[in-house]
Amino acid sequence: TQLLEQSPQFLSIQEGENLTVYCNSSSVFSSLQWYRQEPGEGPVLLVTVVTGGEVKKLKRLTFQFGDARKDSSLHITAAQPGDTGLYLCAGAITGNTGKLIFGQGTTLQVKP
Amino acid sequence: GAVVSQHPSRVICKSGTSVKIECRSLDFQATTMFWYRQFPKQSLMLMATSNEGSKATYEQGVEKDKFLINHASLTLSTLTVTSAHPEDSSFYICSASWGAYEQYFGPGTRLTVT
Repeated sequence: TQLLEQSPQFLSIQEGENLTVYCNSSSVFSSLQWYRQEPGEGPVLLVTVVTGGEVKKLKRLTFQFGDARKDSSLHITAAQPGDTGLYLCAGAITGNTGKLIFGQGTTLQVKP
Repeated sequence: GAVVSQHPSRVICKSGTSVKIECRSLDFQATTMFWYRQFPKQSLMLMATSNEGSKATYEQGVEKDKFLINHASLTLSTLTVTSAHPEDSSFYICSASWGAYEQYFGPGTRLTVT
């Protein structure tokens, strides 16, 4: 059974602070996606990383894919209340017809 | 691009009745659609994978006779919850993919069974 361990599961910080969310696995992924979900809505794709060691930036968000393609991180700089939400990492297993393995999710609350 | 819609967004039904939820890819042809269930403040739980024109593949523990999935076209998949019971109350989310890495999610359907 492939697992994707996401941590932390809950994070409450003040506006302006930095944070990092981690996703780790013993499995190799062909790609890894990060999604953000707000209450009562579906997840929205933030980024896809494909190459080992790849780093992608989306404004204040920095995503990194591990060299061995088994882990990933999401770093948010100077968090804002609008960043509040559920962050999900999801890994695609090679040859698995698009099925994703989801992490447990990180609930982020940014207080003004 | 890559917009997925779901209908209805909310539904309340009585115990024992059936409810159908539609998932549509609006601007692309989805070779594969996925159905998930999500409990409050938890991650997504995959229920089944459906490919257009073929039978859905259900995850272990998901009753295929209770959660009927039809994927009749490249833009439409339906999930029917048959003989619904209060324990089926949940947030159901579909996603669509055209074979690339990403899945694009619908806005979800909140089902409440009374």
